[in-house]
Amino acid sequence: SYVLTQPPSVSVAPGQTARITCGGNNIGSKSVHWYQQKPGQAPVLVVYDDSDRPSGILERFSGSNSGNTATLTISRVEAGDEADYYCQVWDSSTDHGVFGGGTKLTVL
Amino acid sequence: QVQLQESGPGLVKPSETLSLTCTVSGGSISSYYWNWIRQPPGKGLEWIGYISYSGSTNYNPSLKSRVTISVDTSKSQFSLKLSSVTAADTAVYYCARIGTTYFDYWGQGTLVTVSS
Repeated sequence: SYVLTQPPSVSVAPGQTARITCGGNNIGSKSVHWYQQKPGQAPVLVVYDDSDRPSGILERFSGSNSGNTATLTISRVEAGDEADYYCQVWDSSTDHGVFGGGTKLTVL
Repeated sequence: QVQLQESGPGLVKPSETLSLTCTVSGGSISSYYWNWIRQPPGKGLEWIGYISYSGSTNYNPSLKSRVTISVDTSKSQFSLKLSSVTAADTAVYYCARIGTTYFDYWGQGTLVTVSS
């Protein structure tokens, strides 16, 4: 089965840029999606199809995907961005959903 | 605006069957694929499986032997049954819609605890 690997944690100071990676075998050939989850809440889609933003998601959230690594970039980080972030792909070979293990973003 | 709402018992005894229902409102259930996803306390998200509007299903291999997902389009509901539960099945269970390959609408989640 397809495996997505994320760092358990990322820390960044307010106003700086946070980059959260998602590794997978030839992930650049897949569409990668990112979710933000705050404590006690359901996940919220923040980036889909590698780099598109749903309506209502701030431009500070962006994504890229190439080779074996996809990246979620959060610019001008704010305290309110502190959350768990999950990457996700759809494995077309098995027709299964796959999530990364999640990354906890801490705003220092 | 599409809304999903999970319902079902919050406590299930070991070895019994967990049963949850997701009610879809604000949009038609007769299209898209409808999914169950769970999250054990303090852990990450795990995809359980989906059912299409036509009734085709696909399940996570790690749960396949114990999972059944069904749909009732007349009630705009789809359901999850997980048999022979253990404490490891304690989790928040989410229902979610998949558009193309991403989950665009989620329920609020419901905590199911497996305990005697």
